[in-house]
Amino acid sequence: GAVVSQHPSRVICKSGTSVKIECRSLDFQATTMFWYRQFPKQSLMLMATSNEGSKATYEQGVEKDKFLINHASLTLSTLTVTSAHPEDSSFYICSAREWDREQYFGPGTRLTVT
Amino acid sequence: AQSVSQHNHHVILSEAASLELGCNYSYGGTVNLFWYVQYPGQHLQLLLKYFSGDPLVKGIKGFEAEFIKSKFSFNLRKPSVQWSDTAEYFCAVILPGSARQLTFGSGTQLTVLP
Repeated sequence: GAVVSQHPSRVICKSGTSVKIECRSLDFQATTMFWYRQFPKQSLMLMATSNEGSKATYEQGVEKDKFLINHASLTLSTLTVTSAHPEDSSFYICSAREWDREQYFGPGTRLTVT
Repeated sequence: AQSVSQHNHHVILSEAASLELGCNYSYGGTVNLFWYVQYPGQHLQLLLKYFSGDPLVKGIKGFEAEFIKSKFSFNLRKPSVQWSDTAEYFCAVILPGSARQLTFGSGTQLTVLP
């Protein structure tokens, strides 16, 4: 199947700093990318959907100024957590699909804010 | 209102036991249904999906699921589990008008004892 990578896999940052997470589709064109957040023992919650070259569409309750999403190319999307706080600590997962084809998931990024 | 419900949070089985994980959705129209698996430390992988046609769907690794429209259910089954099936299992749905976004259930942790 198609491959989606995320970098970094783990990151620890201090409160108040910003962190950027990259999501790449390695062997297909990601016309649409999704960013999810997963709390321990809980489901994946969709944060936002982005189409290449367009602004991301955020789910209700997700602060777009805090979670900046850029999807400037067909193989790369970035999520920047700005002014991170301990409550932002979580597991962030991206996924991508090419048009209406199957959605593939990245391995996730564990963010810890101290 | 939650669209997808997984009532079993943690299931523990011995090897060779039969498995059935429950999934119920709360939408009366046509939906697309999925089961994903997340092995420890790995990304989400698609086990099987149902769009239309035969309500009994066969997936990878010996898993199958049955769509029962009258019960709004899409339970996952495997006749004989193995230790390597230890993982988290997520049911997901694409609702009409959702721009093909996946909505996930809360997940079921399956532990298979050797």
